Amino acid sequence: EVQLVESGGGLVQPGGSLRLSCAASGFTMSWYWMTWVRQAPGKGLEWVANINQDGRERNYGDSVKGRFIISRDNAKIYLHMSSLRAEDTAVYYCARAGIWDSDDWGHGTLVTVSS
Amino acid sequence: DVQMTQSPSAMSTSVGDRVTITCRASQVIFNALAWFQQKPGKVPKRLINGASSLQEYVPSRFSGSGSGTEFTLTISSLQPEDFGSYFCLQYNVYPYTFGQGTKLEI
Repeated sequence: EVQLVESGGGLVQPGGSLRLSCAASGFTMSWYWMTWVRQAPGKGLEWVANINQDGRERNYGDSVKGRFIISRDNAKIYLHMSSLRAEDTAVYYCARAGIWDSDDWGHGTLVTVSS
Repeated sequence: DVQMTQSPSAMSTSVGDRVTITCRASQVIFNALAWFQQKPGKVPKRLINGASSLQEYVPSRFSGSGSGTEFTLTISSLQPEDFGSYFCLQYNVYPYTFGQGTKLEI
C-alpha cells in the first residue's frame, strides 16, 4: 500500500523558515517525480513545486519561486520554505508523480505563519 | 502562466440534476487537464485526466470533455455522495495551475 506522510509543519513567524518532509512507503520513491500542493484554510488548491527523479529538474509556482526549494534524497522529499508570509498558511500535501497521473497523496501538514 | 477560470464557483443542486462545471484556460493546453473532487477534510481525489479519461474507480455518471481552452466536467445524475468541491488542473505548462474550484451543495 502506498503511503505518503508529511511532517514538519507548525507555527512560524512571518519572515521565518521551515522545512517540510515527506516520507514514502509502498513504492520506490526514486522512480517518480514528486509534487507539493498546498491549500489555504477554506480555499482552493495551489500547485507549489515538483522535482524529477534525480533532483535536477525542479519547477515552482509563481507565488513561491525564489523563497521555496524542493529537494529530495533516497528516502524523502523536502520543501525548504523561507521568507514565509501569512499567505503561505496552508495545509501542504505531498503527492506521487505529477498528481494528474497518480492518486497518491499524503494527508498533509499544516503550516501557520503568524506572529 | 496559464490562468484557469472555473465556473460556477458554487452551485445549489438536487439529487438527479445534471451538473456541468466549466474550466477555461488562458491559452491552449491541448488535453492536458485533470479534474479532482474534494470532500471537506479529505484529500483531493482524481476523477479525470487527459480531459476525458475517467479513472477506473470513478462512476460513469462523471464525464469530461473539451480540448484547447474550453473544458467541462459533467455529472449526468447527481448523487448525494457527489457533494463537495471540484477543481480543474492544467498540466500542459509549468507552473501547473488549478481552477478556483466549484462547490456543489446538495
